[in-house]
Amino acid sequence: EPEVTQTPSHQVTQMGQEVILRCVPISNHLYFYWYRQILGQKVEFLVSFYNNEISEKSEIFDDQFSVERPDGSNFTLKIRSTKLEDSAMYFCASSGRGTSGNTIYFGEGSWLTVV
Amino acid sequence: GESVGLHLPTLSVQEGDNSIINCAYSNSASDYFIWYKQESGKGPQFIIDIRSNMDKRQGQRVTVLLNKTVKHLSLQIAATQPGDSAVYFCAEKANQKVTFGTGTKLQVIP
Repeated sequence: EPEVTQTPSHQVTQMGQEVILRCVPISNHLYFYWYRQILGQKVEFLVSFYNNEISEKSEIFDDQFSVERPDGSNFTLKIRSTKLEDSAMYFCASSGRGTSGNTIYFGEGSWLTVV
Repeated sequence: GESVGLHLPTLSVQEGDNSIINCAYSNSASDYFIWYKQESGKGPQFIIDIRSNMDKRQGQRVTVLLNKTVKHLSLQIAATQPGDSAVYFCAEKANQKVTFGTGTKLQVIP
């Protein structure tokens, strides 16, 4: 069964450093998403991406965050200068068309620990 | 604003019994609803979904009910098994944004 894959599974970084989280969405999907989940809390929407541009973003997704689809398969989340409160599990997701009724599939997540 | 919330943070059921997990939503613009299961340290796993023009949908051992009048969503799990123990999130979708509820932890008692 096709799946969303994410790397790294866990990354520890020093505060102020840049981090890039990588994702390979399901191959025929068109919509891509990043979510995050702080330990013990609910999953929070960060950003959705379609046709090489951001289609929607949350208030969490400030200027420190950016997304990119550098080639036909990868989708990345960059955090420019990490803060302690960026420590969380980051989930990439993708869906076929993004219209109602199309399932969003999640990857297993990348644990980011900022120290 | 929009919000999705769950009535019960923790639900304990005996193995073999049926489980019902409830969810309230407030964004009337949402047109698609999903239930996800999340096991510890893993990503949300799709269970079942329902469009806003439906009120019931059944899968294998799971049923989702949607009541748009009171903005209520429920997940029914038949013959609950130990492997069903996890946190269950309801989620609503409007445009390109999926908003998750706070989650209900389901504990299955052997």
